[in-house]
Amino acid sequence: GAGVSQSPSNKVTEKGKDVELRCDPISGHTALYWYRQSLGQGLEFLIYFQGNSAPDKSGLPSDRFSAERTGGSVSTLTIQRTQQEDSAVYLCASKPRDSKYGYTFGSGTRLTVV
Amino acid sequence: QQQVKQSPQSLIVQKGGISIINCAYENTAFDYFPWYQQFPGKGPALLIAIRPDVSEKKEGRFTISFNKSAKQFSLHIMDSQPGDSATYFCAASTYSGGSNYKLTFGKGTLLTVNP
Repeated sequence: GAGVSQSPSNKVTEKGKDVELRCDPISGHTALYWYRQSLGQGLEFLIYFQGNSAPDKSGLPSDRFSAERTGGSVSTLTIQRTQQEDSAVYLCASKPRDSKYGYTFGSGTRLTVV
Repeated sequence: QQQVKQSPQSLIVQKGGISIINCAYENTAFDYFPWYQQFPGKGPALLIAIRPDVSEKKEGRFTISFNKSAKQFSLHIMDSQPGDSATYFCAASTYSGGSNYKLTFGKGTLLTVNP
């Protein structure tokens, strides 16, 4: 596609429910990142996928957060038993494997936990 | 631990003025320093970037100044325009193995350019 596509663009969920956020990277981009942007904060690294390599999960804030990437393309970020502090914008970015810094971000999913 | 400190948090500038946003870092392993521009409802977009072996980089009205010894870098927007009104993030990159070049972001500066 022309850019990184994320869905849904907005999600309101009740505390304690599970949510799934989807990222469709640019075709041919093998590297995929998830970041979280909380109000008044910068972007916080969550997880990194590169091809079939083991993901870098070092930024996941708790075991309620998980992500997978199927077929080296679409990625899903899952948050279980959501809490109010999970409310944030979740951003996905992709880049070509041979590009060190060429991140392209999607528009994000705004998650609100009520 | 905030590895990239950004200031100011918000900035109001008149049209035609100069906008200056500053960032400081601690980790000497950072090897690439990009600035991102983010409009409401959109993801951040790369604006301009610099490597630590260069002291200044200019692209149009946007200039990065880099001071390696002080571990500081700044973004200057000349002849600021209302269309420049956005949130600006500085960032720094570290190599984390494989092709993983992880970005650490500042907290952002909300720039408002008044007409």
